[in-house]
Amino acid sequence: AQSVSQHNHHVILSEAASLELGCNYSYGGTVNLFWYVQYPGQHLQLLLKYFSGDPLVKGIKGFEAEFIKSKFSFNLRKPSVQWSDTAEYFCAVSGTYKYIFGTGTRLKVLA
Amino acid sequence: KAGVTQTPRYLIKTRGQQVTLSCSPISGHRSVSWYQQTPGQGLQFLFEYFSETQRNKGNFPGRFSGRQFSNSRSEMNVSTLELGDSALYLCASSGRATGGNTEAFFGQGTRLTVV
Repeated sequence: AQSVSQHNHHVILSEAASLELGCNYSYGGTVNLFWYVQYPGQHLQLLLKYFSGDPLVKGIKGFEAEFIKSKFSFNLRKPSVQWSDTAEYFCAVSGTYKYIFGTGTRLKVLA
Repeated sequence: KAGVTQTPRYLIKTRGQQVTLSCSPISGHRSVSWYQQTPGQGLQFLFEYFSETQRNKGNFPGRFSGRQFSNSRSEMNVSTLELGDSALYLCASSGRATGGNTEAFFGQGTRLTVV
């Protein structure tokens, strides 16, 4: 079955701390992976995406993610978080005419 | 260019009623998909439309239906509302077919509360 797992449901960090959010997927076809972010009161927006090529992808606002095929993982990282990174983060894999999302990780960054 | 527009932003309905939500995709986008977002469940796929044809449907009861018009605008309808239908309903549009290596652009959603 196609699925995405995000193991960290709630994460609390202080500013300047490093961030890593886990994402594991189960999908039998060609893998296209995404991280979306939802800031409070705003719409979901794309942070970064992986389609092929270099498994380390860089996105907006200093985020990056690494695709590790052998581990079926696509973890999101940021070396130093800011208070403005407080949001909910969703990992997704694209399927046939749909996207399959994880349950999300709520990140709270303390100033 | 304008983003994905969903109306209304907020709705309060009573159990047993029906509701219609609207989504206007980004100009030129022909694919629209719908998701239900609830705390702890993430986004659950409802259905996808491309050029007025439904091409995929999620595991939701038949009370949930949708359609797409020739101008790519889409509506979803929920009949016989239940308390468990309370959620944020998100619409996404894509320039090409949803899925694959295509990015989806999301609207701000319609917050439906069933009382």
